[in-house]
Amino acid sequence: DIQMTQSPSSLSASVGDRVTITCRASQSISNYVNWYQQKSGKAPKLLIYSASTLQSGVPSRFSGSGSGTGFTLTISSLQAEDFATFYCQQSYTVPYTFGQGTKLEIK
Amino acid sequence: EVQVVESGGGLVKPGGSLRLSCAASGFNFNIYNMNWVRQAPGKGLEWVSSIVGSSTYIYYADSVKGRFTISRDNAKNLLFLQMNSLRVEDTAVYYCARDLSDYSNPLDYWGQGILVTVSS
Repeated sequence: DIQMTQSPSSLSASVGDRVTITCRASQSISNYVNWYQQKSGKAPKLLIYSASTLQSGVPSRFSGSGSGTGFTLTISSLQAEDFATFYCQQSYTVPYTFGQGTKLEIK
Repeated sequence: EVQVVESGGGLVKPGGSLRLSCAASGFNFNIYNMNWVRQAPGKGLEWVSSIVGSSTYIYYADSVKGRFTISRDNAKNLLFLQMNSLRVEDTAVYYCARDLSDYSNPLDYWGQGILVTVSS
């Protein structure tokens, strides 16, 4: 199975900060990576797919990049509503594994 | 409006069975791949199973293979997950999710989730 390793596992930041979350795949997966945001008690929400395509309706402060084994999710200027847990997911091959999550908290 | 709504969860004893349903609306159900994803209490997301629109191709996580069966009824816009030989470690919120069917198969619509508790 392809392992997806996110870093950091948790992060404290302030409104207005620029934040980057990294996801590393255990083997090359081209750009078959999706990013999700999950708020407490809610279903995940798709943010970015195919490593860098912004899902419809998602604010442009979210962006994704990477290919091969290294991927990043960047939030250019944190807003209060962005604090949540973020997951990367590979869809290169089954099983479609997720990263362990990055919890973004208010500093 | 696209909606997917899970039902059928609850408390079951180890070794028991449960059938989850997911009712889809607002889109042409029979052309979309559908998935089940679960989340154990306080843990991360785990992909469980996928089924293509025609049911021709079906995939499972190793952790559920041989115990869970995914299926769909395109005439009724329903997705199912038959769960047999349930274990304590199957306790989780189960989400039904639509596959956007774009290049990287992202999951673009998720249900609210349904809790399955396996306990004696």
